[in-house]
Order: sequence, then structure tokens, then C-alpha cells
Amino acid sequence: GENVEQHPSTLSVQEGDSAVIKCTYSDSASNYFPWYKQELGKGPQLIIDIRSNVGEKKDQRIAVTLNKTAKHFSLHITETQPEDSAVYFCAASGGSTLGRLYFGRGTQLTVWP
Amino acid sequence: GAVVSQHPSWVICKSGTSVKIECRSLDFQATTMFWYRQFPKQSLMLMATSNEGSKATYEQGVEKDKFLINHASLTLSTLTVTSAHPEDSSFYICSAESLGGTDNEKLFFGSGTQLSVL
Repeated sequence: GENVEQHPSTLSVQEGDSAVIKCTYSDSASNYFPWYKQELGKGPQLIIDIRSNVGEKKDQRIAVTLNKTAKHFSLHITETQPEDSAVYFCAASGGSTLGRLYFGRGTQLTVWP
Repeated sequence: GAVVSQHPSWVICKSGTSVKIECRSLDFQATTMFWYRQFPKQSLMLMATSNEGSKATYEQGVEKDKFLINHASLTLSTLTVTSAHPEDSSFYICSAESLGGTDNEKLFFGSGTQLSVL
């Protein structure tokens, strides 16, 4: 099955700096790569996603890049704010069922004011 | 965006009892829903895929007789943890697949249910 690796496990940045989280996946058939933000005691919230026919996608301060050849994708957050502090998960999905997601282990992002 | 409601948000039960968790898609129809569990400070692990009107598909290692899933309508899936034991204590999260419309085939998660078995 699919195996998703995520790094780093923890990330601390100063407010205003950029944060980058990287993930790799193993199944070349995977074609959907969402990123989720999870706050303590809550369900994951979709922040951005990308599909395998697109190399980069941006939404305001958040961007995701995908390198299908190398099987890795990254989340970029610019101009970080304290409210960006949370656990971020990458995931990969393939085949006919979008929702059969395989998650990375998560990155605890802390943004210091 | 689409809303997925999960209930209850937390539940405490005695060992040996059964607990039912509901997952509803509020403003869209979801032919497919998914159930995950998450241990503290760990990732989400897919338990099963719930298809409306048919039997759920369980991931390897998940006991189907212990985690009963029913998807009787296009907006509701339930997970029943039968004869719960302390090791079943976990954060259970559902998700629903939204097809078409403005959300263009995305997956939305419920807010989760924290189960504590005493």
C-alpha cells in the first residue's frame, strides 16, 4: 500500500518567516495530495490540495508544489502568523476512491510572535 | 465549503458497552464516507470505507465485528464500537466525499469524537 513520509516532525519559526513542510509518497498511482491543518481536539481542516496533473498551486499565503517524478510534494507557508500554529498533515490518495487517504505523521508548526 | 457534522464530540463509557458515533454530511450527499482513528500525537489511520447501501470495506487489521459501520442514507454513516475496551480509547474521525459542485470533488472531515473507555 501507500506509504507517506513527512518531515520535519516539529518546526519553529518567527512570525513573518516562511515555513516549508515536505512529504514523499511511494505509490506512483497516487494522484491527489491534500494538506490538512489540525488544531487540538478538532478534526483536520483542508487548507490546500493538488492533483497529479498540476505542478504548483497557490492560495494567498499557502502554496503546494508537486514533483511527480520524484514522488514528493511540499507545503509552503509565507508570512507566517501565530494563528498558523497547529499540526499539519500531508496525505496521498490514488485510484478511484478519493477519500482513501494515507497520511504523513504530521508536523507541529509553532510560530513565535 | 461543505460541512460534515460528527456526534458526539466526546463520550465516556464503561468497558464492555457499545458506543455509536454518527457522521452526517449537512449540505451535500455523500455516497462514500470514511472512518479514521487517531491516537494522541499520531497520524490518522484509515479504518474503513463506508458506501451507501452496501457493506463497508475495512482496512487490513481492523476488526469488522468490533467496528460496525452502517451507511443507510446518502447523508449519514454510523460507527458502532462494540464491547468497547480501554484499548479502543481514541479519537475517531469521519470524512465524506463531496462530488461535483463548487467543491469539485473534495474530502471534508468531521470534528472528531474522543472516546474514553473506563
